Amino acid sequence: EVQLVQSGAEVKEPGESLKISCKGFGHILTNYWIGWVRQKPGKGLEWMGIIHLGDSDTTYSPSFQGQVTISVDKSIGAAYLQWSSLKASDTAIYYCARHSGVEFDPWGQGTLVIVSS
Amino acid sequence: NFMLSQPHSVSESPGKTVTISCSGSGGSIASNYVQWYQQRPGSAPTTVIYEDNHRPSGVPDRFSGSIDSSSNSASLTISGLKTEDEADYYCQSYDSTDHYVFGTGTKVTVL
Repeated sequence: EVQLVQSGAEVKEPGESLKISCKGFGHILTNYWIGWVRQKPGKGLEWMGIIHLGDSDTTYSPSFQGQVTISVDKSIGAAYLQWSSLKASDTAIYYCARHSGVEFDPWGQGTLVIVSS
Repeated sequence: NFMLSQPHSVSESPGKTVTISCSGSGGSIASNYVQWYQQRPGSAPTTVIYEDNHRPSGVPDRFSGSIDSSSNSASLTISGLKTEDEADYYCQSYDSTDHYVFGTGTKVTVL
C-alpha cells in the first residue's frame, strides 16, 4: 500500500522562502505523477500543478504558474513545492496526491502553511 | 475556462437519499472522466467514485455516480444516508488542455 507523508506545519513571515516535501512509502514507482492541491481555510480544493516522478515533466495550473515551483528527487521518491517569496494569501493547507492516470489517490496528510507577520 | 459548479450544501435525514450535482461550464463534462472525493473535517480527501461511476474497493455501494450529457453535469448519489457520510464532497475532471479541475464543493449534513 502506498502512503504519502508530507513535511510538518510551517509558520513563516511574508517575503520568506519555503520548500515543503511529500515522500512516498510503499510500492511507489517512478512512473507515477504527484499533484499538489491547495485548500485555503474553510475553502475548496484548488489544483496547483503536477510532476512526473520519473522524468520531472511538470504542468502548472495557470493560476499558480510563476507563483510556485514543483520539483522532484526521484532517487528518494519525493516531490517538493516551493515559494521564493511568501505572501499572507499563501496561508493554506497544501496536499500532495499521487495521480495514477485516473484519480488522485492516495493523498498526503497535508501541510499547513501559515504566513503572518 | 472549464469550470465545475456544485451546490454549496445539501442536508437530509439518516436513511434517506441525497444527490449532489456537478455542473460543467466552458466545456463538455462527458469528454473526460469525473471523479468524486469525500473530505471529512480535518482529513485529506479520499476517492468515493472514479471514472464517472466506479467505486474503489472499500467504498459502500450506497455511493453511485452518473453523467448526464444533456445537462452537462455529473451526479453523486448517496443512498441510505449515515451520519458517517457527513463531509464535504468534490467532483474533479480535466479541461481541454489536460489541466485538472475541482468542483466548488458541497457540504453534506446528515440531520
